[in-house]
Amino acid sequence: QKEVEQDPGPLSVPEGAIVSLNCTYSNSAFQYFMWYRQYSRKGPELLMYTYSSGNKEDGRFTAQVDKSSKYISLFIRDSQPSDSATYLCAMRRSNTGKLIFGQGTTLQVKP
Amino acid sequence: DSGVTQTPKHLITATGQRVTLRCSPRSGDLSVYWYQQSLDQGLQFLIQYYNGEERAKGNILERFSAQQFPDLHSELNLSSLELGDSALYFCASSAGVSNTGELFFGEGSRLTVL
Repeated sequence: QKEVEQDPGPLSVPEGAIVSLNCTYSNSAFQYFMWYRQYSRKGPELLMYTYSSGNKEDGRFTAQVDKSSKYISLFIRDSQPSDSATYLCAMRRSNTGKLIFGQGTTLQVKP
Repeated sequence: DSGVTQTPKHLITATGQRVTLRCSPRSGDLSVYWYQQSLDQGLQFLIQYYNGEERAKGNILERFSAQQFPDLHSELNLSSLELGDSALYFCASSAGVSNTGELFFGEGSRLTVL
């Protein structure tokens, strides 16, 4: 079993839709949770970062962490074609910089 | 532009050969990470160096080795290459040894083993 599970999709939505992306994990020692966005032929770039449980909002993006359920989510409101990319969840323990990534979910937002 | 530079961008080689991938971290970053990305495995952590010293190791094969030089650039050496080594290899850097999670990734080196 992988430490971090993420549905690879692909996920296709119309422009303006609300998108929900999710990851589950098995290691209760994970304390820091991130979402990275990766465009085709590019390196991943950090989108959202959350420490422990709770919500964080940044513009159209909201990240949620539920440590009791070992479940994290990323919501994208009013999705745009420019949001079409692969979204990777990532997490790490407190005493290391090493990130463990999910498989990535490919999202396509159709105009 | 993340500030992390990787060369070469593309590399095609044959089984049994050896290649070296190079990474220059962002200015001021002391940690360098290497990741392998394949379609079936996703992004897999290989190894981390901090200021020239190995700090963490993932499921890196014995045929693979890395080092970080005094000028902080890093090289990943892949030897006795197999078809299954074909993948995107990413380098990332960060300021500290265990940071807030802000890893800055380069654009990757695409390795094709024929």
